Amino acid sequence: DAKTTQPNSMESNEEEPVHLPCNHSTISGTDYIHWYRQLPSQGPEYVIHGLTSNVNNRMASLAIAEDRKSSTLILHRATLRDAAVYYCILRSPGANSKLTFGKGITLSVRP
Amino acid sequence: NAGVTQTPKFQVLKTGQSMTLQCAQDMNHEYMSWYRQDPGMGLRLIHYSVGAGITDQGEVPNGYNVSRSTTEDFPLRLLSAAPSQTSVYFCASRAGGRYEQYFGPGTRLTVT
Repeated sequence: DAKTTQPNSMESNEEEPVHLPCNHSTISGTDYIHWYRQLPSQGPEYVIHGLTSNVNNRMASLAIAEDRKSSTLILHRATLRDAAVYYCILRSPGANSKLTFGKGITLSVRP
Repeated sequence: NAGVTQTPKFQVLKTGQSMTLQCAQDMNHEYMSWYRQDPGMGLRLIHYSVGAGITDQGEVPNGYNVSRSTTEDFPLRLLSAAPSQTSVYFCASRAGGRYEQYFGPGTRLTVT
């Protein structure tokens, strides 16, 4: 399975944008890029996913590099509630494809 | 919808005891999975099911059994608990043809 590389941690200020990077240099042409986050003492929560084009939803935006070897999760205005571990995951298509979680990046938000 | 529910929230077992962690979802999702999360680690897949009557092993299946007799329920059985099974266990489900997985709140298990 193709792997992802994320920094261990990142800090941001409340109400400022946050850019969380993810490298996936061995991504295959059909792998989707998924992001999940895990708030303290909770189960993971789906954030967003994409294949080639940038994606937006109510939670975040996903910017995917043209060569697809990296991507960035963008939180437009960080709140204290966004402090969590964010996981960047590659998923192959297919009904039985599985999520493989790495250690993720721990985001801290300063008031 | 209640989403994905798990019981119990906390459990302490002695080595050698058996127990079943319960997981249920009310979204009519075909796919259900069990993960464990150890401190400072990501989640690891234990077992999964693609529909009622169909289960398969994940990354770390040893010491655990599952069955899926209904679409709604996917219990995880620990046959003979060991301290190495101390962990937080998450159940998840997703609909066929969709990518988003929905996770339960977790069960924190301690084996002494």
